[in-house]
Amino acid sequence: AAGVIQSPRHLIKEKRETATLKCYPIPRHDTVYWYQQGPGQDPQFLISFYEKMQSDKGSIPDRFSAQQFSDYHSELNMSSLELGDSALYFCASSRTGGAEAFFGQGTRLTVV
Amino acid sequence: EDQVTQSPEALRLQEGESSSLNCSYTVSGLRGLFWYRQDPGKGPEFLFTLYSAGEEKEKERLKATLTKKESFLHITAPKPEDSATYLCAVQLYTGNQFYFGTGTSLTVIP
Repeated sequence: AAGVIQSPRHLIKEKRETATLKCYPIPRHDTVYWYQQGPGQDPQFLISFYEKMQSDKGSIPDRFSAQQFSDYHSELNMSSLELGDSALYFCASSRTGGAEAFFGQGTRLTVV
Repeated sequence: EDQVTQSPEALRLQEGESSSLNCSYTVSGLRGLFWYRQDPGKGPEFLFTLYSAGEEKEKERLKATLTKKESFLHITAPKPEDSATYLCAVQLYTGNQFYFGTGTSLTVIP
């Protein structure tokens, strides 16, 4: 069965650089979520989209932005990267209405 | 304030030694409670969804139950391959995001 696809799997950037993470949800899923997970921490909600519109906003820094495109894939854009942005970034997708979310394998971002 | 708390933080079991993980929540308007398994460096893997008190779900050696204030993940006769971090998450009616607990790190020793 198709799963959530994230790219790249690993990314190394320098401070103050920009990074773009991509997410391809499961077909026919209308909601996409972005989460950030630091070492030993639980996933922290960043932002979500429903039918290409932003639906919820969590602890996403102003330096980050995200959007969902007409083909339902989503991109998380991160600018002015800081060392503290180093983390695993997960994308998840679901069908709306209380359905479970399925997570991708994540992008490991390392800021040096 | 909405909260999701998991206990214990870490659990070491001998192979075959059954136990339970707890997820307690204080939220308003629970839409659903979800259990996930996460292996190091990988994305959370969906296990169960529970929607109402009294509901139970089973899958192989795992069984999840839900009351009005907490959920339990029972592990019967665990095997070393069950070693992972188990996360619970809640979704509210007021939004669609998932609030995660801090997880229980389970180690099953052969």
